[in-house]
Amino acid sequence: RKEVEQDPGPFNVPEGATVAFNCTYSNSASQSFFWYRQDCRKEPKLLMSVYSSGNEDGRFTAQLNRASQYISLLIRDSKLSDSATYLCVVNEGEKLTFGTGTRLTIIP
Amino acid sequence: NAGVTQTPKFQVLKTGQSMTLQCAQDMNHNSMYWYRQDPGMGLRLIYYSASEGTTDKGEVPNGYNVSRLNKREFSLRLESAAPSQTSVYFCASGGRKDTEAFFGQGTRLTVV
Repeated sequence: RKEVEQDPGPFNVPEGATVAFNCTYSNSASQSFFWYRQDCRKEPKLLMSVYSSGNEDGRFTAQLNRASQYISLLIRDSKLSDSATYLCVVNEGEKLTFGTGTRLTIIP
Repeated sequence: NAGVTQTPKFQVLKTGQSMTLQCAQDMNHNSMYWYRQDPGMGLRLIYYSASEGTTDKGEVPNGYNVSRLNKREFSLRLESAAPSQTSVYFCASGGRKDTEAFFGQGTRLTVV
């Protein structure tokens, strides 16, 4: 079983729609969690951290469920500029483990 | 703001050649990482260094060596390149365990 699993997509979503991604992780001792965004042929960049209480940043909402070991990302009112690959990342103490990423394309 | 600097950005090697990928960060981070990214495989950890003087294997260490020269620099060496090592390589650094990692711009390596 992969340590961090994501649905690879692709997700093709009309502009203005709401889209949700889920990610599961296998190591119950994992300490911190993140969503990264990666544009084509670019390096990954932090989108947001994920806290146990859930957190929101504008149109983006991230949630963590430690009991079920999954992380979610919700994007509301999607924009064309949201087209990218979204990576779920788990910090297991000394190393960061990435999911394979979910590709999102926003359709005009 | 340099952040994480990787060199070179592009490289073509012949099978059996060796090379070293350089990475330096100016954020005083303890942890540094080397990943490779292949289509459909996501980012896979090759080696990491939790602090100056320590290195540990990640998911795919075979065929690679690393050196944490000092707190700033973490190099990745391919002793005898193989076509299977054709990939995009990313170096990253991070501070505390609960903070984000910052990435270099990547090295696109082709082994022919």
